[in-house]
This record gives sequence, C-alpha cells and structure tokens, in this order.
Amino acid sequence: DTEVTQTPKHLVMGMTNKKSLKCEQHMGHRAMYWYKQKAKKPPELMFVYSYEKLSINESVPSRFSPECPNSSLLNLHLHALQPEDSALYLCASSGPGNDEQFFGPGTRLTVL
Amino acid sequence: GESVGLHLPTLSVQEGDNSIINCAYSNSASDYFIWYKQESGKGPQFIIDIRSNMDKRQGQRVTVLLNKTVKHLSLQIAATQPGDSAVYFCAGSSDTGRRALTFGSGTRLQVQP
Repeated sequence: DTEVTQTPKHLVMGMTNKKSLKCEQHMGHRAMYWYKQKAKKPPELMFVYSYEKLSINESVPSRFSPECPNSSLLNLHLHALQPEDSALYLCASSGPGNDEQFFGPGTRLTVL
Repeated sequence: GESVGLHLPTLSVQEGDNSIINCAYSNSASDYFIWYKQESGKGPQFIIDIRSNMDKRQGQRVTVLLNKTVKHLSLQIAATQPGDSAVYFCAGSSDTGRRALTFGSGTRLQVQP
C-alpha cells in the first residue's frame, strides 16, 4: 500500500459544529503532517507529528486540534471554525530516512 | 525562515516542446528541495527531489537543476504532454526544519495540443 487516504472527501459544517478529518497511511511512515491549502495558493504547513508526538505547530488556532492515535492514523478535530477556514486540508506522510512527503487527496472543507 | 518563490504564475507550451519552470529560494541553509505536481481537485504528487550536495538530478522526462550560488532551481520537462498540464510547486526545507516544507507560490503549466 503506497498511498495516503483521507476522509471525508468533502465536508460542509456550521460554525458551531464539531467535526473530524481523518488520515491514514500503511507505508510504515513515522512522520505525518497536516497542511491547509486555500484556492490558488500553495499548501501551508499546520502540524507535524514525528513518532506519534507533535513536533511542529505552526501557530495554528486552537479551534484546530490534531491527534495521532497511532503511527498509521492522524486526525484533525475541528470546533467553532470560521468561514475563512474553508480550504483543502491535506495530509502527508514521510518515512524514516526519507524526506519525500506523500500527500493524500485532501478534504475539501466548507464552513458556513 | 524559509522563503521559496516562483518567477512566473502561468506557462503555456506546445505539446512536444520542453518546459522549464523556475523557482528561487532565500534561505541559504536550505538543503533539500522537491517538486510537486498538483492537478485540479487532487493532492500534490511527487515529481522529483534534490539535495544541496547535487546540482542536477534526472527522472523520467524530468530534470531538476539546482544552482546554490544564486539560490535557484528549475524543473525541466521533456516532450511536454497534455497530461502534464497542472500546477507545479517547488518546496524546500533546511536540516534544522527537516520536516517543515515551505512551498513556493506555484506555476500553472498549460500544454496546448
């Protein structure tokens, strides 16, 4: 298995909702990432997990809460989001000794 | 910090021609660079990477050139095909932030049949 999967593919939520994005990989990678990508812009790093521990948080608002339950799974919990948080949320992973990051297809999030 | 940018937002080429996409970076500590292709509605797809101890690396129909003196890298695509139409991003990282990729602004490649 050489892919990163993300669910759901699309998500529409209100500002008072709580939802979660899920990411999974079975490549034995020990680093996993969340990126946010606005339309016609490059991906921007949000969080990095290394060996299931949060190693980088790029000053992301607390309404985004990451979680890494195990080495294959990465979640992003969403609460009290704003319309400007609407974007494509990308998950990526990379293996030990290899810096190449493999990206999933993303979750298209719309906040109403 | 890392800053990676591109020279041109859109590049239009004829099918069969060679394409060159350029990228400049500002952090002289950057030692790893990677090119991604992103098609509409999809996640970025790895094309090729290069480390700072190299100045050229070739893949299938693609070549990346790195000029550390002027902090510039380029992606060359040989015999460009309609399926190459996409947005291309360069990204870089430094050893101290090995796992934090900073992306350039992207170049849209349009291949005319």
